[in-house]
Amino acid sequence: SAVISQKPSRDICQRGTSLTIQCQVDSQVTMMFWYRQQPGQSLTLIATANQGSEATYESGFVIDKFPISRPNLTFSTLTVSNMSPEDSSIYLCSVARTAYNEQFFGPGTRLTVL
Amino acid sequence: QKEVEQDPGPLSVPEGAIVSLNCTYSNSAFQYFMWYRQYSRKGPELLMYTYSSGNKEDGRFTAQVDKSSKYISLFIRDSQPSDSATYLCAMSGLAGGTSYGKLTFGQGTILTVHP
Repeated sequence: SAVISQKPSRDICQRGTSLTIQCQVDSQVTMMFWYRQQPGQSLTLIATANQGSEATYESGFVIDKFPISRPNLTFSTLTVSNMSPEDSSIYLCSVARTAYNEQFFGPGTRLTVL
Repeated sequence: QKEVEQDPGPLSVPEGAIVSLNCTYSNSAFQYFMWYRQYSRKGPELLMYTYSSGNKEDGRFTAQVDKSSKYISLFIRDSQPSDSATYLCAMSGLAGGTSYGKLTFGQGTILTVHP
């Protein structure tokens, strides 16, 4: 497995502002992903963070709202832009060492938008 | 219809019981099947990972995959109060396919094991 940390662990933000979430892994990984888990719901993939190139977004998620960076093989950020209360959720990053899909998750960032 | 269906429960069992958790799916491209355990206010923890059909055992946990029926199961033997958590099934497809690397999750089953 991998040791994954996320910052911040939680935050309360005002409508219209933006928050950047960081994901750090203790060793190099091939793939990094960002998921959202809305209250009482399961996990939904937002995007695949690609090292050195633009992220690949899933249907319903756009770069202007969720810009993602991945400058190297151990670090990624997700920004939630122009937030509304509907963005209140847990945001999780996950990583995979190889292309065989064992994914390990970080502890999550709990976001509340007022 | 959702690609992955999982009974959300909640499921309550006495300590020592055998627990059966199940998911069905509709996408025949899924080849990799996982079970995650998620404690309250924590990230999901990978429990079991299987490829294609068959069984896999790890301690008190057994994962079964029946691709012909598009049905996967997780069995927990001798359940303990510490097993109380939400259990999520997840799956993805082969390299080169559109579902490769992307996990599609079930809704999660809330399990409580009472002493």
